[in-house]
Amino acid sequence: GESVGLHLPTLSVQEGDNSIINCAYSNSASDYFIWYKQESGKGPQFIIDIRSNMDKRQGQRVTVLLNKTVKHLSLQIAATQPGDSAVYFCAENISSGGSYIPTFGRGTSLIVHP
Amino acid sequence: DAGVIQSPRHEVTEMGQEVTLRCKPISGHNSLFWYRQTMMRGLELLIYFNNNVPIDDSGMPEDRFSAKMPNASFSTLKIQPSEPRDSAVYFCASSLTTRVAGGPSQKFLQTDTQYFGPGTRLTVL
Repeated sequence: GESVGLHLPTLSVQEGDNSIINCAYSNSASDYFIWYKQESGKGPQFIIDIRSNMDKRQGQRVTVLLNKTVKHLSLQIAATQPGDSAVYFCAENISSGGSYIPTFGRGTSLIVHP
Repeated sequence: DAGVIQSPRHEVTEMGQEVTLRCKPISGHNSLFWYRQTMMRGLELLIYFNNNVPIDDSGMPEDRFSAKMPNASFSTLKIQPSEPRDSAVYFCASSLTTRVAGGPSQKFLQTDTQYFGPGTRLTVL
């Protein structure tokens, strides 16, 4: 049926807990993946990226896991803080007319309760 | 580094009017992207440029939309005439794109991290 609106998946956590945000990607040929964070009223902001020759990459409080077998990506945020509240997007680079450009998923809303 | 700069930040106009959105990419970046974000459709890629040349405009909704990049430091997205359904937040992003080998005789453009501007919130009444 016709969509009546974009209902983002929502993850609610308590401050200090660990958060896991999941993303399923579509193209098995994608070789580069990026996680973005978008706070209210702002543009998406780069968090961390990973290439397909890796399974895991760690940043500051964030870890991205890539499972190419099931085409699944996850973002783990350790010790979640209220400032982490935002919408998180995963993006995969997909070939388009001879170019690999990022294609964004729908996003997941993370709500952190103090 | 000032980041990607967009103007205006907010635009309210009446149906039928021409709207021009502006973007200044990060210095040294060679790719520029225009996106539209709505609650209904999420983040949609409208068009992107590499070295000031439009590479893919398949996301441009219709002929009312046009985009230009006259030089490496400036791009515009124009809507003429505007309609209420064009109301959205429009983002510009820039990145560094390199050519990578995709096969014996093929070269692809590989875009890495995109840096987004703050967006222009457009309301068409």
